[in-house]
Amino acid sequence: SQTIHQWPATLVQPVGSPLSLECTVEGTSNPNLYWYRQAAGRGLQLLFYSVGIGQISSEVPQNLSASRPQDRQFILSSKKLLLSDSGFYLCAWRGTSGGALGANVLTFGAGSRLTVL
Amino acid sequence: DAKTTQPTSMDCAEGRAANLPCNHSTISGNEYVYWYRQIHSQGPQYIIHGLKNNETNEMASLIITEDRKSSTLILPHATLRDTAVYYCIVSVKAAGNKLTFGGGTRVLVKP
Repeated sequence: SQTIHQWPATLVQPVGSPLSLECTVEGTSNPNLYWYRQAAGRGLQLLFYSVGIGQISSEVPQNLSASRPQDRQFILSSKKLLLSDSGFYLCAWRGTSGGALGANVLTFGAGSRLTVL
Repeated sequence: DAKTTQPTSMDCAEGRAANLPCNHSTISGNEYVYWYRQIHSQGPQYIIHGLKNNETNEMASLIITEDRKSSTLILPHATLRDTAVYYCIVSVKAAGNKLTFGGGTRVLVKP
């Protein structure tokens, strides 16, 4: 069965420090991968999505970047965090090989809660 | 992807059916209706999806109008654990497509 792992679960970082959030998916190949952010009390904002290794689409201009060094690994990074980067970061995957749940349905990780002080 | 419109919030009584509406008047012929929910401090969870026929699974039922411009998610017997934000999304069922979430409906199930 497919599983998605996201870490760290909680992170407190000072302004100006770097960031690296990691997401890995098991049990599937060539998934579409997504990073969403949810600020406190707000909706889900799509940040990046990827349809393959090294292929990243950015949805909004921001202080963050994403990379996909391996098929089932998606990393969210920042060189210098801002206060506005605080939020709940969610990684998700979507299958590409058909089936009722395997394809076209997003499965989310447990999330990483980032507080920038 | 077509946009959706949902009420901001609604309350329902525990044990009663909860009917959550969604308008998607600009939906295209190849776009599906997906429903997700997000319980506080968790990642969203898939509930159900459909194209034009009504669908039912162990979690909910989805009723799509004949013109496909609106749909209703039905939670047949709401429990306190169904308190969550419910998102209605329309999207083509294709690889590489992004899913954009709106504000959703904040559902509070009351005892």
